[in-house]
Amino acid sequence: GESVGLHLPTLSVQEGDNSIINCAYSNSASDYFIWYKQESGKGPQFIIDIRSNMDKRQGQRVTVLLNKTVKHLSLQIAATQPGDSAVYFCAEKTTNFGNEKLTFGTGTRLTIIP
Amino acid sequence: DVKVTQSSRYLVKRTGEKVFLECVQDMDHENMFWYRQDPGLGLRLIYFSYDVKMKEKGDIPEGYSVSREKKERFSLILESASTNQTSMYLCASKTLGEANEKLFFGSGTQLSVL
Repeated sequence: GESVGLHLPTLSVQEGDNSIINCAYSNSASDYFIWYKQESGKGPQFIIDIRSNMDKRQGQRVTVLLNKTVKHLSLQIAATQPGDSAVYFCAEKTTNFGNEKLTFGTGTRLTIIP
Repeated sequence: DVKVTQSSRYLVKRTGEKVFLECVQDMDHENMFWYRQDPGLGLRLIYFSYDVKMKEKGDIPEGYSVSREKKERFSLILESASTNQTSMYLCASKTLGEANEKLFFGSGTQLSVL
């Protein structure tokens, strides 16, 4: 029979448009956040990061916004290109018994429509 | 360029076999990590290491062990492979220090246990 699995949130955007990918994090004490991009068949690649003492940080065509009040993180990609098609993960730095680690979200699949 | 190399891109093993997944980094990083990635579940941390011969359990260590005999190499061991360990395995590394939080990932090993 057919198996049912968990599905990634998906976002389809027309080439050239801007895209916004959202992420909710769980730990109000987290002080560092990071976005990764994973293309098919590859490992995750760093895009941009932000510390909790900032609300916004910009990179090349990407902006990360942090709203600590509602524990929300977003990644904005300007003027999307076909190469932006990938799965995007957010992660927060958490501390467990003194050991720090990155805890990842489940990811969002971004598809750029030519 | 930073490089994290995983020895196999694809592996097929039988239930009950002992499986070794190897990871080497050339950046002299102190910290190394093993994650597994499953659809809809994101990246989950299995084990990590902050130094040679040192290891810490992550979120899902059951059924796995690790070895770090040299700084550049971090091995993941499945003592007796089971079908529920079929997954994508990702190795990552990072250097020490709060200014260097980002992980560098390998391309992953897709393991199928039959």
